[in-house]
Amino acid sequence: DVKVTQSSRYLVKRTGEKVFLECVQDMDHENMFWYRQDPGLGLRLIYFSYDVKMKEKGDIPEGYSVSREKKERFSLILESASTNQTSMYLCASSPPQGTHSPLHFGNGTRLTVT
Amino acid sequence: RKEVEQDPGPFNVPEGATVAFNCTYSNSASQSFFWYRQDCRKEPKLLMSVYSSGNEDGRFTAQLNRASQYISLLIRDSKLSDSATYLCVVPPSPNTGTASKLTFGTGTRLQVTL
Repeated sequence: DVKVTQSSRYLVKRTGEKVFLECVQDMDHENMFWYRQDPGLGLRLIYFSYDVKMKEKGDIPEGYSVSREKKERFSLILESASTNQTSMYLCASSPPQGTHSPLHFGNGTRLTVT
Repeated sequence: RKEVEQDPGPFNVPEGATVAFNCTYSNSASQSFFWYRQDCRKEPKLLMSVYSSGNEDGRFTAQLNRASQYISLLIRDSKLSDSATYLCVVPPSPNTGTASKLTFGTGTRLQVTL
């Protein structure tokens, strides 16, 4: 069974802090994703990566960056946290496109920026 | 038309009822689809995949109507434990890139009551 693990379940940070959200998957998946989920807006893609050291912007990359130094780990970085980044953050992984494979999600990090 | 559109609900149904949700999509080239289930404050989990005309798994049936560009999810004999938000997910067109950039609907909330 695929396991995607996010380092924190709940996080509270102050405005202006640098925030790291970590995600690790154990199924050797090439693709990894970071989403945020907000009421009424659904899941929105922030960044994704299809290989080590590769990254691509999703639909809402502003204010975020990512790092993929190892295949199993994909980190989301908030360079200077702001209150509008308070949200539920979901990491996911999947095998390469073409296999009709769905995403496997971590259990989420609920971030509050005060 | 939005890329993926769902009625947010909530759908309030008694135990034992049959309930159906629709999801419309705009990309006529999409070939496979997914239904995810998301419990309150939890991560989305794959419920069903829909690759051709439809798929059935116990009390759950997913159908695809390519001509009208919608997929549906039918739940028979509803249980209290079916209460959740159901997300419709549409992949991009085939061969559009190396990573699978799925588009999520905002979800339909189902509440099954005694």
